[in-house]
Amino acid sequence: QQKVQQSPESLTVSEGAMASLNCTFSDGTSNNFRWYRQHSAKGLEVLVSIFSDGEKEEGRFTAHLNRANLHVSLHIREPQPSDSAVYLCAVSTYTNAYKVIFGKGTHLHVLP
Amino acid sequence: GGIITQTPKFLIGQEGQKLTLKCQQNFNHDTMYWYRQDSGKGLRLIYYSITENDLQKGDLSEGYDASREKKSSFSLTVTSAQKNEMAVFLCASSMGTGGYAEQFFGPGTRLTVL
Repeated sequence: QQKVQQSPESLTVSEGAMASLNCTFSDGTSNNFRWYRQHSAKGLEVLVSIFSDGEKEEGRFTAHLNRANLHVSLHIREPQPSDSAVYLCAVSTYTNAYKVIFGKGTHLHVLP
Repeated sequence: GGIITQTPKFLIGQEGQKLTLKCQQNFNHDTMYWYRQDSGKGLRLIYYSITENDLQKGDLSEGYDASREKKSSFSLTVTSAQKNEMAVFLCASSMGTGGYAEQFFGPGTRLTVL
């Protein structure tokens, strides 16, 4: 059974400082990765999708994938207080894209 | 673009009560999902449906029923609410189940059982 773990559980950064979030997974055949953001009492909003090793940038959000190390990260450039939310890592495979395993999330707090 | 609507937004029930949550999407997506989100536990899949009238069990289906009445709507029933239960139920939809199909989520229904 795929395990997806996120770290840290909670992260506080100052406005404008880079925020880095980590996600490790256990199934090396995984090839479908997404980072979602969830504001309090709201649904999930996809930030970045990445399917091959390397880097994918979407605005201020950059995902790095290293499948050999079973690791995917999210870096937020110039975070703002409005970026304070829970960030969820989601992992699946191309053949079973519906079977998404989510991490428990990282609570990000951005101080003005 | 499209939108997923979930009703009600907040649901308060009594122990043992049968409770129904509804979800509508206008993406014209084939596949719909119900997830449960508990504090500190991440999202867990309850049921999903590949097409109208199809139902597939997820990891957490015990204690729940689901119904895909038409392509745009997917309902979830808590068959017997558990005392002090608190969770958020999230509905999602995607175009297909394979490839790089992205799941789009609704705002959630917050359940509290007294």
